[in-house]
Amino acid sequence: GAGVSQSPRYKVAKRGQDVALRCDPISGHVSLFWYQQALGQGPEFLTYFQNEAQLDKSGLPSDRFFAERPEGSVSTLKIQRTQQEDSAVYLCASSLVREAHEQYFGPGTRLTVT
Amino acid sequence: AQSVTQLDSQVPVFEEAPVELRCNYSSSVSVYLFWYVQYPNQGLQLLLKYLSGSTLVKGINGFEAEFNKSQTSFHLRKPSVHISDTAEYFCAVKEYGNKLVFGAGTILRVKS
Repeated sequence: GAGVSQSPRYKVAKRGQDVALRCDPISGHVSLFWYQQALGQGPEFLTYFQNEAQLDKSGLPSDRFFAERPEGSVSTLKIQRTQQEDSAVYLCASSLVREAHEQYFGPGTRLTVT
Repeated sequence: AQSVTQLDSQVPVFEEAPVELRCNYSSSVSVYLFWYVQYPNQGLQLLLKYLSGSTLVKGINGFEAEFNKSQTSFHLRKPSVHISDTAEYFCAVKEYGNKLVFGAGTILRVKS
């Protein structure tokens, strides 16, 4: 079946622009996660949804980052007034149930801020 | 807070040789441990996981890992690597809650 998809795959933004990154999780998956992966680093947790509820946003680096999942399926990560340090790959993952231990990752969106 | 240390940033190895990728984590409580592989321009794929039970865990593509609680380690091994195993490997830990904490990754380069 279809896996986690993300769009766009690549995004170039000028410093100060707003961007929106989309994640389509596997159908029926309850939990959805966003991670940020800087060059040469491992992914770092940003935020977590269970259905439409954002249960943990402790990893969001600043109030310029905002995530939503209004209908409990597709999620959007928005970054306002992008800065060069926001350049990274943004990974989305989903899992079937709340306590599932296997997260399925999408291919990521590579954001470059110039 | 949890942390994961992958002791080698790059591991070069010849094809058909054995390999071990090292991972240590910091926790005195029960944890769940994972190894993921990332091929270029692709997302992370789960190789194997330790949740409980036997400390030797077998995964896909011939990989296995051993959980050692006293040494807080979860090293990944493969007895004979192939060119196609060239990728970046990430160790991760999950404690109470749902988020994964990843190490910085180890690039495995298999040479012919």
